[in-house]
Amino acid sequence: SQTIHQWPATLVQPVGSPLSLECTVEGTSNPNLYWYRQAAGRGLQLLFYSVGIGQISSEVPQNLSASRPQDRQFILSSKKLLLSDSGFYLCAWTHFRLAGGPGANVLTFGAGSRLTVL
Amino acid sequence: QKEVEQNSGPLSVPEGAIASLNCTYSDRGSQSFFWYRQYSGKSPELIMFIYSNGDKEDGRFTAQLNKASQYVSLLIRDSQPSDSATYLCAVHNAGNNRKLIWGLGTSLAVNP
Repeated sequence: SQTIHQWPATLVQPVGSPLSLECTVEGTSNPNLYWYRQAAGRGLQLLFYSVGIGQISSEVPQNLSASRPQDRQFILSSKKLLLSDSGFYLCAWTHFRLAGGPGANVLTFGAGSRLTVL
Repeated sequence: QKEVEQNSGPLSVPEGAIASLNCTYSDRGSQSFFWYRQYSGKSPELIMFIYSNGDKEDGRFTAQLNKASQYVSLLIRDSQPSDSATYLCAVHNAGNNRKLIWGLGTSLAVNP
């Protein structure tokens, strides 16, 4: 069965410090990978998604970046954190099927990383 | 702008009652519809998905899809306090690349 791991679970960082969140998926190959952010009381905001190694699509221009160095590894980074970067960061995966069908495109989320920028 | 709308709630129901959660979407080309449950401080988890018009039942949960009216609903029968959570509706159109469009969620409180 497939599992998704995300770490660290919580972190408190000062403004201007760097950030690195990591996500790995086990039990599958060539997943589509996603980074979402959920600010307090807000909806899910898609930040990045990746369809393969080195292929990153950015949804929101900001001071964050993402990388996919290996098939099942997805990393979210920042060189200098802002107060507005605080939130709940979620990694997710799916197998995208253009034709749809039962079970297609179901997102499975990691446990999340809660970031507080002070 | 493709949108998914949900009543933010809170929706409050007594234990044992039926909770009805609604979601409307603007993209007529949407093909896949998902309901996720999110407990406070936790990540979303899939409850159900539905692709075809009509009802789909899974235990105490029933998803209802009406593409002509562009709405999808989730019924929870025999609601339990453990059902208290935020319920997120998500919609997918294969032509919209590989992204889901998410609603903001409806907060449900089941009172013992």
